[in-house]
Amino acid sequence: QKEVEQNSGPLSVPEGAIASLNCTYSDRGSQSFFWYRQYSGKSPELIMFIYSNGDKEDGRFTAQLNKASQYVSLLIRDSQPSDSATYLCAVWERDMRFGAGTRLTVKP
Amino acid sequence: DVKVTQSSRYLVKRTGEKVFLECVQDMDHENMFWYRQDPGLGLRLIYFSYDVKMKEKGDIPEGYSVSREKKERFSLILESASTNQTSMYLCASSSPSGDEQYFGPGTRLTVT
Repeated sequence: QKEVEQNSGPLSVPEGAIASLNCTYSDRGSQSFFWYRQYSGKSPELIMFIYSNGDKEDGRFTAQLNKASQYVSLLIRDSQPSDSATYLCAVWERDMRFGAGTRLTVKP
Repeated sequence: DVKVTQSSRYLVKRTGEKVFLECVQDMDHENMFWYRQDPGLGLRLIYFSYDVKMKEKGDIPEGYSVSREKKERFSLILESASTNQTSMYLCASSSPSGDEQYFGPGTRLTVT
């Protein structure tokens, strides 16, 4: 069974700090990697995807992928209280599999 | 700007009832998915479909079936609802590579 593991959290950071979210996956055939944000009571929404090893930046968000280590991470710079949510790592190979999520709280 | 819709936001059913959850997407996506989300367990894949009349089992298909007669519509069926199927059900659709995946608003099903 394909597995996607995330650091369980919860994670709490002060406003303006860098939040670091981590994810590992078991299936070496996985092709694409995604980070979703889910606010309480809402559906997940896609914030970033990454296919290649290395870093991918989009505004305050940076996704990092290391396929050899089967590891993907998300960094949120200058964290804001509005970033408080659960972050879901997802891995695509023939279908989309999700980790259990990490709850992030950004304190003003 | 509606992309994925689900037939109900909240549903209460009795044990043993047959339950239909409907999902419709307007993005002409080939792929459609049904997940359930439970506290501490994350999103678990029930079934998915790559094309009309095609279906594949996910991790937890037991007690569920699906139907995809049209490209835009993917239905989840609980043949005989049980209390352990009380959950949030999320439908999603995506492009073939998965990089354009959108979720519906979810259906919170309670089975009593």
